[in-house]
Amino acid sequence: GAGVSQSPSNKVTEKGKDVELRCDPISGHTALYWYRQSLGQGLEFLIYFQGNSAPDKSGLPSDRFSAERTGGSVSTLTIQRTQQEDSAVYLCASSPRGETQYFGPGTRLLVL
Amino acid sequence: GENVEQHPSTLSVQEGDSAVIKCTYSDSASNYFPWYKQELGKRPQLIIDIRSNVGEKKDQRIAVTLNKTAKHFSLHITETQPEDSAVYFCAASGGSTLGRLYFGRGTQLTVWP
Repeated sequence: GAGVSQSPSNKVTEKGKDVELRCDPISGHTALYWYRQSLGQGLEFLIYFQGNSAPDKSGLPSDRFSAERTGGSVSTLTIQRTQQEDSAVYLCASSPRGETQYFGPGTRLLVL
Repeated sequence: GENVEQHPSTLSVQEGDSAVIKCTYSDSASNYFPWYKQELGKRPQLIIDIRSNVGEKKDQRIAVTLNKTAKHFSLHITETQPEDSAVYFCAASGGSTLGRLYFGRGTQLTVWP
């Protein structure tokens, strides 16, 4: 079946612009996660959605970052007023029960 | 929340040798421990996982062991091949924050031919 998909695959933006990153989870998966991975680094947790529960936003690095999940499916991660340090790969993952996570291919964000 | 430590950060082995990566966790309530492999430029992919009611699990050349008392778990790769070269991440979940996976910092494994 179809895996997790993300769009765009690459995004180049200018400092100060807003960007939106999209994640389409595997159908039926109730849990959705966003991570950030800087070059050569580990997986930095950003936010976690589980069903209709309030999201766990404890990993968002600043109030410039926000995320939504509409209808329990597609999610959008928004970064406002982008900074150069926001340049990274943004990975989305989904899970059927909040354990095993299946990752998307990521969005490579470059802020000039 | 949970804290997962992973060692070593880099590991180089000769083709055919074994490789061992170790992780420790802090939350005794954690009960699910997956391992992910991430090749350069690719997404992390699950390679093996273990639950706390099992001490060891094997899948061909890969095995994972879990010591609940000591709160550590290890990935063992035997007869390594160059295509095993990648970054490996351990993770833990099921503790006080249900649904979250807490990842180690990763181990860069290089297998020399």
